[in-house]
Amino acid sequence: DAKTTQPNSMESNEEEPVHLPCNHSTISGTDYIHWYRQLPSQGPEYVIHGLTSNVNNRMASLAIAEDRKSSTLILHRATLRDAAVYYCILRGNTPLVFGKGTRLSVIA
Amino acid sequence: GAGVSQSPRYKVAKRGQDVALRCDPISGHVSLFWYQQALGQGPEFLTYFQNEAQLDKSGLPSDRFFAERPEGSVSTLKIQRTQQEDSAVYLCASSLAVTPNTEAFFGQGTRLTVV
Repeated sequence: DAKTTQPNSMESNEEEPVHLPCNHSTISGTDYIHWYRQLPSQGPEYVIHGLTSNVNNRMASLAIAEDRKSSTLILHRATLRDAAVYYCILRGNTPLVFGKGTRLSVIA
Repeated sequence: GAGVSQSPRYKVAKRGQDVALRCDPISGHVSLFWYQQALGQGPEFLTYFQNEAQLDKSGLPSDRFFAERPEGSVSTLKIQRTQQEDSAVYLCASSLAVTPNTEAFFGQGTRLTVV
């Protein structure tokens, strides 16, 4: 399985933008980049996914490097409810494979 | 319901007891997945179904773990002769397909504690 590398933890102030990085240097041409997050005591929740172009939805934006070897999940204004573990996952024709993710703390 | 439903939410089992965990996927979702999540870790893949066919069970930790989805809808994960190391949150997810462009929807999980 293609692997991703994320920082173990990050911290953000409330109302500030947050940029969560992910490295995936071994990505294949057909892998999509998916982001999920897991709030305390909840199951993982889909956030966003993309292939090559940057993507925006109501939750976040996904910026994908031109060589696709890295990506960044952008939360435009962090709130206390965004405190969670964020997982960057490369998806082919297989079930999702989770790493350890990045634990995001949001400070009021 | 609109989402993936799992029951029970919490289960306490005595060591050696058999348990059955239920997952109701989103209606019409062909693919169903089971994951195990230990405290402080990311979810670990156990097995997945496409309709009633179990296509991959490579993540099941031992032959005490068994999953079924007989009619291609509801699924049950059964653990026989539970051990303390089986204590974890068991997550179920469903999706329209197992393709790169498809998102998965997760239930809230069943927290199993073996005492």
